[in-house]
Amino acid sequence: QSVLTQPPSVSAAPGQKVTISCSGSSSNIGNNYVSWYQQLPGTAPKLLIYDNNKRPSGIPDRFSGSKSGTSATLGITGLQTGDEADYYCGTWDSSLSAGRGVFGTGTKVTVL
Amino acid sequence: QVQLQQWGAGLLKPSETLSLTCAVYGGSFSGYYWSWIRQPPGKGLEWIGEINHSGSTNYNPSLKSRVTISVDTSKNQFSLKLSSVTAADTAVYYCARVKFGDTRAPSGLYYYYYMDVWGKGTTVTVSS
Repeated sequence: QSVLTQPPSVSAAPGQKVTISCSGSSSNIGNNYVSWYQQLPGTAPKLLIYDNNKRPSGIPDRFSGSKSGTSATLGITGLQTGDEADYYCGTWDSSLSAGRGVFGTGTKVTVL
Repeated sequence: QVQLQQWGAGLLKPSETLSLTCAVYGGSFSGYYWSWIRQPPGKGLEWIGEINHSGSTNYNPSLKSRVTISVDTSKNQFSLKLSSVTAADTAVYYCARVKFGDTRAPSGLYYYYYMDVWGKGTTVTVSS
């Protein structure tokens, strides 16, 4: 029962750009910072973006994040075969008396 | 470099209690929250809950009645117990380090919340 909605899949050819949207509400994305995670097949998720648009050390600048209102977007430029993975957005949700961590529904990126 | 090593029983029968532990190596235990996340086969990530070094917890409301997360600061470990498991609890369970805090901007209070270090995951299957 994810509270953040993502498209199930996106695809593009090598070298192209893809964007993944993450839609939420004022109790989560609208008033908190967003993070993004990459999950390669059979592995644990890996932090790609935090605080809406910051990249941890070692993450290439082909990956970018942005936020506007109650939605966030992950962009991947110069798409590579190694980028084929599932991508999840995440944030804190303050809608209940005690908040909770929440993830998006996940998006599978396919490199054509 | 912080690493998380997790372990626990991988096969349970319905009604039993799931028990997993995660050990933190190479970094400070205090100043962070430590969380559990699970992923059913072929599905997305589900946040289970978290604890800090002081023992303060937050739980997913949908699991709260069955979940207990505890901490052992002397060993830099934290643990998950999930009672009365069913087949619906079959999943890969991950532990993760959480950076969690708030910042005040002119427009209000904002929370930053993200998992920057993850364990490799433990597959838990519930079957009779």
